[in-house]
Amino acid sequence: DTEVTQTPKHLVMGMTNKKSLKCEQHMGHRAMYWYKQKAKKPPELMFVYSYEKLSINESVPSRFSPECPNSSLLNLHLHALQPEDSALYLCASSRGVGISRGNRTFGSGTRLTVV
Amino acid sequence: AQSVSQHNHHVILSEAASLELGCNYSYGGTVNLFWYVQYPGQHLQLLLKYFSGDPLVKGIKGFEAEFIKSKFSFNLRKPSVQWSDTAEYFCAVNARTGNQFYFGTGTSLTVIP
Repeated sequence: DTEVTQTPKHLVMGMTNKKSLKCEQHMGHRAMYWYKQKAKKPPELMFVYSYEKLSINESVPSRFSPECPNSSLLNLHLHALQPEDSALYLCASSRGVGISRGNRTFGSGTRLTVV
Repeated sequence: AQSVSQHNHHVILSEAASLELGCNYSYGGTVNLFWYVQYPGQHLQLLLKYFSGDPLVKGIKGFEAEFIKSKFSFNLRKPSVQWSDTAEYFCAVNARTGNQFYFGTGTSLTVIP
């Protein structure tokens, strides 16, 4: 069982919908991440939160909006997505952002389909 | 730019064959090294990691990897693969500068019963 919990596991949404992906961890990790993964490709970093503050945004379109309400929760708000945004969205966490603390634990992911 | 190379894109082996998957990285500073496995339709799982110490690292499910600093390599090995090892394997490097975490492009392993 993964210690990073993501909900929902599957999501189908239309291009005009607004939905949110949720991620939760209770390991006391202070860094949390969103990744996007296409089939048979490595995960691509989208956002990094460190101590509940956004520290890295990898030039992600504004139709993806992250939110970190507290140290255990990370949300990804979706609005006006395109079919090419269909992918597996992975959440990860690590103890911190220093190299010795950067080992990431990944969640099971949310498989998103945009129709 | 930093990079992680996995030269084997798709490997097909028969059960009981030995496995070696290559991973090379370009960063010259201090790094932590990882191998992740992703079974079909499942999430990424950590197989093993190297932070420091003995360069030969033992992981789960009988996997091991050897860090060769002079070659910037961290190859994954298993003496005898099983059908259940069919999966995508990703090498990853955590580099000191900016806490960048780089994934390799992945190797798809198919084990034939």
